[in-house]
Amino acid sequence: DVKVTQSSRYLVKRTGEKVFLECVQDMDHENMFWYRQDPGLGLRLIYFSYDVKMKEKGDIPEGYSVSREKKERFSLILESASTNQTSMYLCASRVGGDSGNTIYFGEGSWLTVV
Amino acid sequence: KNEVEQSPQNLTAQEGEFITINCSYSVGISALHWLQQHPGGGIVSLFMLSSGKKKHGRLIATINIQEKHSSLHITASHPRDSAVYICAVRSPFTNTGNQFYFGTGTSLTVIP
Repeated sequence: DVKVTQSSRYLVKRTGEKVFLECVQDMDHENMFWYRQDPGLGLRLIYFSYDVKMKEKGDIPEGYSVSREKKERFSLILESASTNQTSMYLCASRVGGDSGNTIYFGEGSWLTVV
Repeated sequence: KNEVEQSPQNLTAQEGEFITINCSYSVGISALHWLQQHPGGGIVSLFMLSSGKKKHGRLIATINIQEKHSSLHITASHPRDSAVYICAVRSPFTNTGNQFYFGTGTSLTVIP
């Protein structure tokens, strides 16, 4: 089974802190994603990476950056956390190219910024 | 503009009832997913469809490609079916690398 692992399930951070959310997948997938999920808004794409060191902005990249130094790991960085970044963050991965119809999700990371 | 629309947003049912959740999409797709999310966050895929109908236990998913519409049915609903159900499509015809679009989800509560 594909496994997408998010390192932290629950975090509480202070306004202005730098926050790292880590995600690792074990299926050699080319594509990895970071989403945030808020009530009534569904899943919104923050950033997408289609290969090592390659990234693309999603719908809501402001206030976030990402790093993909190794194929299996995709990190989401909040340079200076703010209270409006309190949310649930989901990492996902899929095979790249035409065959990648299935997307696999991690368990989610609940971030509270106080 | 939402490429994927789901209805209803919220649904409460009595145990044993037949439940239908609907999904309409506006883009060309290669696949449609029905996803389930329990409280606590993790999302699992229930079905992947590109045509026709699939059945797994008490769950049935159908898709009509011409009408760009899919339904998820739950027969003999049970409290353990309480979850958020999300419709997602993969559209390889977009110019971005993302290609996945999600509905906002249907929150189902089944009362004993």
